[in-house]
Amino acid sequence: NAGVTQTPKFRVLKTGQSMTLLCAQDMNHEYMYWYRQDPGMGLRLIHYSVGEGTTAKGEVPDGYNVSRLKKQNFLLGLESAAPSQTSVYFCASSYQRGNTEAFFGQGTRLTVV
Amino acid sequence: DAKTTQPPSMDCAEGRAANLPCNHSTISGNEYVYWYRQIHSQGPQYIIHGLKNNETNEMASLIITEDRKSSTLILPHATLRDTAVYYCIVRVSENAGNNRKLIWGLGTSLAVNP
Repeated sequence: NAGVTQTPKFRVLKTGQSMTLLCAQDMNHEYMYWYRQDPGMGLRLIHYSVGEGTTAKGEVPDGYNVSRLKKQNFLLGLESAAPSQTSVYFCASSYQRGNTEAFFGQGTRLTVV
Repeated sequence: DAKTTQPPSMDCAEGRAANLPCNHSTISGNEYVYWYRQIHSQGPQYIIHGLKNNETNEMASLIITEDRKSSTLILPHATLRDTAVYYCIVRVSENAGNNRKLIWGLGTSLAVNP
């Protein structure tokens, strides 16, 4: 049981380049989330999804887009990367009800130069 | 959702109990207390949560004061692998839809020493 898998684990981008971070979960969870974590700050929610085909903005959505075409996958896109987007990105998933704890992936360390 | 206050760092001797405090004096009656931890370079990991009663699972115990304004996470026999940052979060209801409202602070960095 892989849980929540993020790819890639590391990436270096040049300013203005685009990329997509992939999150896959095999637990049949309805909810999925993308967070970023910066030094000296707690995790901040970028976007989230409550089900296949739906997405919503979180606390810091600017500069990012997301898609949830399949229930098990949640993609985070950066159309034009900026140095301010240098961060560690975490994906998480959870059931809608019942066991409501979130399961996190191992993170993607992104550096924009 | 209510804000929490935790000490920035703590030390604990291996094999001893680690008691991590959390203050949530503005907690509302329908807000749960959640604890997660993050081992260096890994994603956060759920530990335990509770509303009013004390809770225990295979990882830890959660003691919530009667007025619910504070709580303590107890790792009964800390090991070196318990060295991590521990986050205390309060959240309305057990509906996971409110995960989007979680406010993650800086947590407590626990160092378990041999």
